[in-house]
Amino acid sequence: AQRVTQPEKLLSVFKGAPVELKCNYSYSGSPELFWYVQYSRQRLQLLLRHISRESIKGFTADLNKGETSFHLKKPFAQEEDSAMYYCALSGLGETSGSRLTFGEGTQLTVNP
Amino acid sequence: DTEVTQTPKHLVMGMTNKKSLKCEQHMGHRAMYWYKQKAKKPPELMFVYSYEKLSINESVPSRFSPECPNSSLLNLHLHALQPEDSALYLCASSQTDRGDTQYFGPGTRLTVL
Repeated sequence: AQRVTQPEKLLSVFKGAPVELKCNYSYSGSPELFWYVQYSRQRLQLLLRHISRESIKGFTADLNKGETSFHLKKPFAQEEDSAMYYCALSGLGETSGSRLTFGEGTQLTVNP
Repeated sequence: DTEVTQTPKHLVMGMTNKKSLKCEQHMGHRAMYWYKQKAKKPPELMFVYSYEKLSINESVPSRFSPECPNSSLLNLHLHALQPEDSALYLCASSQTDRGDTQYFGPGTRLTVL
């Protein structure tokens, strides 16, 4: 079974402060990890995924297989980063790869 | 065209009605998905189509009936729904069903009276 845990439902930081959204996973195969973001009244959109190793909007995430984590980080939060963030997992290259499992989400608020 | 589109945006139906949700993509993706999302909750997978064949049904009640007429189109037929089926229904697509990035539509907000 695959499982994603986001321990913080709500996270509030001030503009310019560093932010870290935590994500832990459980999966027996080769995992592919994603961060999706849902801004108010907008569609769910991909922020970044492990395999592409990109930095999008200043966010980065590193897959730590030893700790089974994929935490999302940004050194200086901006007000426009306020949104719901979902960590998600699928099986890379496997027939179960279509089964995308989401964490419960973290609502990030960046205060001025 | 690099987006997934869904119609209608909003739908209100009675428990005896029959209605359909429509999803379309023109990115050449061969996997398409239906998700259900309740307020402040993550999306829950309902169905997966791969190369126009149903590959996953997550034990969804038969009052929801998916259909994939061609590689660009995905429908969800609704009949005899319950008020607890009220939710945002999301469609998504991906290149294949092997862990590729899924791209989501804006959703259809369904209210069952």
